[in-house]
Amino acid sequence: DTAVSQTPKYLVTQMGNDKSIKCEQNLGHDTMYWYKQDSKKFLKIMFSYNNKELIINETVPNRFSPKSPDKAHLNLHINSLELGDSAVYFCASSLGRVGTGELFFGEGSRLTVL
Amino acid sequence: AQKVTQAQTEISVVEKEDVTLDCVYETRDTTYYLFWYKQPPSGELVFLIRRNSFDEQNEISGRYSWNFQKSTSSFNFTITASQVVDSAVYFCALTTSGTYKYIFGTGTRLKVLA
Repeated sequence: DTAVSQTPKYLVTQMGNDKSIKCEQNLGHDTMYWYKQDSKKFLKIMFSYNNKELIINETVPNRFSPKSPDKAHLNLHINSLELGDSAVYFCASSLGRVGTGELFFGEGSRLTVL
Repeated sequence: AQKVTQAQTEISVVEKEDVTLDCVYETRDTTYYLFWYKQPPSGELVFLIRRNSFDEQNEISGRYSWNFQKSTSSFNFTITASQVVDSAVYFCALTTSGTYKYIFGTGTRLKVLA
């Protein structure tokens, strides 16, 4: 059983379209995250949710909207896609209420905007 | 502000050589947590180690060892007798309690040549 799973693994789409990435964790963790990794491999936090509550929104454009229906799921919806959104998006989770445990990452979702 | 610096962008070694990856961090908090992650060419992010600020003991796990020195704010990672399978991008990361924000360094790409 995959601990943190993301779907889809690959998305190729045109500028201006809307897309969603889903994430699920079966580890019983309280906190989930979205990270963006650009072409230079920089890993930058986008959002953090603790028990369905938004904790961090790291100056991400409004076109990105995370949703956490329950603490095991954290989805990411992106409106009006732009070329600069092309990246690998990683979902992660961690144990504990204070966010200091190791991050367990999904396999990543590679988004290509044409 | 918190910051993680991995000054080595890329390192190439020949198999069986020892190699050290440097990580320097900045934080004003007295309680913090440091991590190393490996990202092989396949793209997943693999957790290697977590260390809290109160535990300055060095750690060894097989060919991997970590040297944590608060005096120099460093958490360096050494691979002994490197192997081709060690080729990857290695990330150092930092978080503090309650922030839910893991700050990653820019990564060091390690190439181990046969």
